[in-house]
Amino acid sequence: DTGVSQNPRHKITKRGQNVTFRCDPISEHNRLYWYRQTLGQGPEFLTYFQNEAQLEKSRLLSDRFSAERPKGSFSTLEIQRTEQGDSAMYLCASSNSGGPNTEAFFGQGTRLTVV
Amino acid sequence: AQSVTQLGSHVSVSEGALVLLRCNYSSSVPPYLFWYVQYPNQGLQLLLKYTSAATLVKGINGFEAEFKKSETSFHLTKPSAHMSDAAEYFCAVKSGANNLFFGTGTRLTVIP
Repeated sequence: DTGVSQNPRHKITKRGQNVTFRCDPISEHNRLYWYRQTLGQGPEFLTYFQNEAQLEKSRLLSDRFSAERPKGSFSTLEIQRTEQGDSAMYLCASSNSGGPNTEAFFGQGTRLTVV
Repeated sequence: AQSVTQLGSHVSVSEGALVLLRCNYSSSVPPYLFWYVQYPNQGLQLLLKYTSAATLVKGINGFEAEFKKSETSFHLTKPSAHMSDAAEYFCAVKSGANNLFFGTGTRLTVIP
């Protein structure tokens, strides 16, 4: 297992376009998280899946953002009508079910630049 | 509500010197605390985590952290800095919820 995989690693898009990112978690992990990290800041929680169910969404996740995990394996994060403020690193993480001390493993992220 | 505060956005140390990165937490319930490291254009890698089993936690790459409830702190230390330690370090807390709350990070520079 090579860990959490995210594609693409980099995406440059024009304002107003739609973009979609993919995350492949560690295969036996049933929990999947999306975070956003802007320059000079720590990652901020966006949303969380347990298997295919989206159980929690941050208020940061505006209606232009949608995330899916259709079969409880890979996940996609789509941003519609991108804005310059969406420029950030989007990080995916996965973990086993377990207590709060369960480690989350992070992917290398997708860096989005909106021009 | 839970949060962490990292004091010092930038820390510079000489190679071989002590590394001390500060983290204070706020939590209404017993917290689970984590330190992650991030190298440029990379994801986050777990250094260590506090799970209430022991107040002094040893992690990878020679790092350790001590949980001090009276000070609500979880500072990260390493006795002797190496050039390869140059990176961004994030403290994070999880208490009850499933997601991590991260601090704003501390960039560590190691001077040869």
